[in-house]
Amino acid sequence: DAGITQSPRYKITETGRQVTLMCHQTWSHSYMFWYRQDLGHGLRLIYYSAAADITDKGEVPDGYVVSRSKTENFPLTLESATRSQTSVYFCASRREEEQYFGPGTRLTVT
Amino acid sequence: KQEVTQIPAALSVPEGENLVLNCSFTDSAIYNLQWFRQDPGKGLTSLLLIQSSQREQTSGRLNASLDKSSGRSTLYIAASQPGDSATYLCAVGGLPGGTSYGKLTFGQGTILTVHP
Repeated sequence: DAGITQSPRYKITETGRQVTLMCHQTWSHSYMFWYRQDLGHGLRLIYYSAAADITDKGEVPDGYVVSRSKTENFPLTLESATRSQTSVYFCASRREEEQYFGPGTRLTVT
Repeated sequence: KQEVTQIPAALSVPEGENLVLNCSFTDSAIYNLQWFRQDPGKGLTSLLLIQSSQREQTSGRLNASLDKSSGRSTLYIAASQPGDSATYLCAVGGLPGGTSYGKLTFGQGTILTVHP
């Protein structure tokens, strides 16, 4: 039972490049979420999805794009990476009000 | 806007001690509250979920209480062990029908160190 997997686990990219972070769940949870975790800010919601083809903005959506064509996948794209997007990114899903998190992707933008 | 605060920011205790972690939130109109554990470099692991209609939840040595009217929750850890060392986060969920439903607002966590 793998749960939620994220790839890559570590990524270094340059300012201005497009980057896609992948998230896959082995369950069939309807809700999925993307968070970023930064020192001094804690965990903040970027985007979430209530079902396939239904997405909505969270607290800090600027500079990010999401899609959800299949229930099990929820990729997050940084269209033109900036240094302020250096962070640890977590994907999560929800079942019966409880959220389950992936292992995270550590992204560094140079 | 909901704000969640956790006190203390860090705590160091000897093994075997019972301890309490605190979480407070500014808007009492919550649907539930969830406690998580995060080990260094890892994701979050759900520990306990308390619905707004509940007063407490227990799992092994962990007991979480919720006082919605005062905007507070506590996580009690009995007989602490070095393996309990981690960051503990609380998060509150918004009410159905509201803009925050299904989403969690997190506190910044308490870093717990249990030394042998």
